[in-house]
Amino acid sequence: EAGVTQFPSHSVIEKGQTVTLRCDPISGHDNLYWYRRVMGKEIKFLLHFVKESKQDESGMPNNRFLAERTGGTYSTLKVQPAELEDSGVYFCASSNTYLAGVSEQYFGPGTRLTVT
Amino acid sequence: KNQVEQSPQSLIILEGKNCTLQCNYTVSPFSNLRWYKQDTGRGPVSLTIMTFSENTKSNGRYTATLDADTKQSSLHITASQLSDSASYICVVSRNSGNTPLVFGKGTRLSVIA
Repeated sequence: EAGVTQFPSHSVIEKGQTVTLRCDPISGHDNLYWYRRVMGKEIKFLLHFVKESKQDESGMPNNRFLAERTGGTYSTLKVQPAELEDSGVYFCASSNTYLAGVSEQYFGPGTRLTVT
Repeated sequence: KNQVEQSPQSLIILEGKNCTLQCNYTVSPFSNLRWYKQDTGRGPVSLTIMTFSENTKSNGRYTATLDADTKQSSLHITASQLSDSASYICVVSRNSGNTPLVFGKGTRLSVIA
């Protein structure tokens, strides 16, 4: 079974440019999460999709960030325009939906974004 | 504020030795606590998941403990190997099921020969 994949692995862009990150979850996982780790800080939640719907986007820092999950499969996270403080590692995770019990989240390798 | 605090920040041990990492949390409500291992350049990988009713859980040479009353957890690594070098992250979930996770900053462990 293929794991969570993310593309690109690294991205270096200039301030003001646009970048789109992609996440392909494990096949059949309805839940998809975006997290971010900025240097020196802990990983923080950004957004949660259930299929194609945004279940929780309370962690999105501002309206320069736009996440989509068309068709409930892969997801994209666009940053436009990018600012220096957006630099960090963006992780995607996916999980099955369980009615009871603990749900395991499986993480991708992350995309390292550097804004210069 | 929901927080997860870990100690030490970093640790160096000799191969074959044991070590224990600590985690304190103030996340509320509390459903479960997880320990993840993150190798450099990789995503976090789950080691253990414990609900509030579980005191200990093992995964090979990794043993996690949980005291839900004092809101403390530990991860004990036995007979360390060079491949154990990684960041170990304590993570708390407020609810069961599919909810966002609250992460600690992690402990950076280096195992040397």
